[in-house]
Amino acid sequence: EAAVTQSPRNKVAVTGGKVTLSCNQTNNHNNMYWYRQDTGHGLRLIHYSYGAGSTEKGDIPDGYKASRPSQENFSLILELATPSQTSVYFCASGDAQGSAETLYFGSGTRLTVL
Amino acid sequence: QQKVQQSPESLSVPEGGMASLNCTSSDRNFQYFWWYRQHSGEGPKALMSIFSDGDKKEGRFTAHLNKASLHVSLHIRDSQPSDSALYFCAARNTGYQNFYFGKGTSLTVIP
Repeated sequence: EAAVTQSPRNKVAVTGGKVTLSCNQTNNHNNMYWYRQDTGHGLRLIHYSYGAGSTEKGDIPDGYKASRPSQENFSLILELATPSQTSVYFCASGDAQGSAETLYFGSGTRLTVL
Repeated sequence: QQKVQQSPESLSVPEGGMASLNCTSSDRNFQYFWWYRQHSGEGPKALMSIFSDGDKKEGRFTAHLNKASLHVSLHIRDSQPSDSALYFCAARNTGYQNFYFGKGTSLTVIP
């Protein structure tokens, strides 16, 4: 089965600090995604990537950067973390059968910004 | 505006009962629909996809799509305690990268 691994599992950061969330997939999928999950909002897309070297903005990119240095790795970077970025973050890879693409999610990173 | 709306927000059914979850979209360009399930402490996992009008059955799970009314449903028969989870409906346009997720329905199956 498709495998997506996120690290760390939990993270506590201070306001104004830099945070990097990491994601690794062994599925050889081209597409990767970063979502955040908040009560009352469901899953919202932050950034996504079509392959190594590419990053695209999703629906809520402000305050976040993304990096895709290789097929397997996709990072989400918070340069200046704020309490409003406290959330659970999910990385996913997609099997990209055209638009009929199924997403495979990691187990999530719970980020708390104090 | 939420493009994908789910109802009910929460649902309790007895073990062995039928659970029915609903999803309505506001965008007629949506052509592809999925149901994802998320157990507590885990990431969402794809349960079923449905792209054509009508019913699609996989084991105890049946999805129904009506594109004209922008409505998709999921029915779980013989519900088990292990079905207790958060269920998301997701929709996508042809050629557009983003998936739109509903806020989810929390299902509790009571033993």
